[in-house]
Amino acid sequence: EDQVTQSPEALRLQEGESSSLNCSYTVSGLRGLFWYRQDPGKGPEFLFTLYSAGEEKEKERLKATLTKKESFLHITAPKPEDSATYLCAVQRITGGGNKLTFGTGTQLKVEL
Amino acid sequence: DSGVTQTPKHLITATGQRVTLRCSPRSGDLSVYWYQQSLDQGLQFLIQYYNGEERAKGNILERFSAQQFPDLHSELNLSSLELGDSALYFCASSAHLEDGYTFGSGTRLTVV
Repeated sequence: EDQVTQSPEALRLQEGESSSLNCSYTVSGLRGLFWYRQDPGKGPEFLFTLYSAGEEKEKERLKATLTKKESFLHITAPKPEDSATYLCAVQRITGGGNKLTFGTGTQLKVEL
Repeated sequence: DSGVTQTPKHLITATGQRVTLRCSPRSGDLSVYWYQQSLDQGLQFLIQYYNGEERAKGNILERFSAQQFPDLHSELNLSSLELGDSALYFCASSAHLEDGYTFGSGTRLTVV
């Protein structure tokens, strides 16, 4: 069965203090790894899709990277508006339709 | 507005009752996914439909059922409700893998 483990569960940063969130995964044939941002009481918002080891994608202060066993979401010089829960998910190549298997997320709080 | 519409936003009902949650996917998206999000379990995949056909099934209880109609909107029916069914229920739709899923804002179900 596909498994996604995210760490840390919660992270508190000062504004401008860069850090990384980790997503370890086990999947039988990775089709794609996804990062989402979720604000309280709202639906997850798509950030990135990564397909193969070595791939990197950037968006504003966020950069996602992928290896064969894990993905990192690097946050550079975060601002309070980056506070949210960040979710990682995997999709397998065969079987299971196109469903995504999610981790439980990292709750990020950025303080002034 | 993500383009995925879910109604109602909030629902409070008693144990043993039956409710229907509704989802209209983003224009042009043929796939609809239902997820349950509770505090202790994160986002759990329930079921996927593609152009009216069931495509994949997760750990969906027998008390739960879903369908997708010719106009592509979908309904999730939850019956014989229990306290433990209280959760956020999200619908998502997709067209292309590289765009990820687009989630609706969810229906918060409270069973009392």
